[in-house]
Amino acid sequence: AQSVTQLDSQVPVFEEAPVELRCNYSSSVSVYLFWYVQYPNQGLQLLLKYLSGSTLVKGINGFEAEFNKSQTSFHLRKPSVHISDTAEYFCAVSDKGAQKLVFGQGTRLTINP
Amino acid sequence: DADVTQTPRNRITKTGKRIMLECSQTKGHDRMYWYRQDPGLGLRLIYYSFDVKDINKGEISDGYSVSRQAQAKFSLSLESAIPNQTALYFCATSDPQLLEAQYFGPGTRLLVL
Repeated sequence: AQSVTQLDSQVPVFEEAPVELRCNYSSSVSVYLFWYVQYPNQGLQLLLKYLSGSTLVKGINGFEAEFNKSQTSFHLRKPSVHISDTAEYFCAVSDKGAQKLVFGQGTRLTINP
Repeated sequence: DADVTQTPRNRITKTGKRIMLECSQTKGHDRMYWYRQDPGLGLRLIYYSFDVKDINKGEISDGYSVSRQAQAKFSLSLESAIPNQTALYFCATSDPQLLEAQYFGPGTRLLVL
């Protein structure tokens, strides 16, 4: 069975600092990987996805993630965060063809001025 | 107008009451999902439907039922609400042509007293 572990429940950073949100998954088959963002009092919005090809994936709002098959990781990064990046971030995995997502527990990113 | 809408957005009910949460979409997607979000647990799949005649249980279907009235409508019912069903509920849709990405509604916040 698939599972996703987000290693940090909360990450505080200062504005304009870099940030990395960590995600590890377990699956016995090939997978698709996703990062979603949830702004306060809103639904989830797709940030980026890895389906195949280049292991470095770029998403919206300056975020990027790198798929590492040997470490079964899909960490999310941004070189310089803004106050508006304050949100909860969810990593998710899907077995190819399954059309079902399994989500991690979420990481709350707090940006301090 | 939003592509995926949920009604109501907030609901307070009492233990033992029957309640229905509704989801409508204008994206034309065949696949629809219901999740619940609890702090520290991420999102967990309750039910999903790949077309009008296809209903499947998810990870945590006990105590819930669903109805797929049309391609665009997918309702979630709590037959006899209990306090541990207090949560944030999300509806989502997907199109297999888009390779697993799901699109989420704004959520329904449910409080069971």
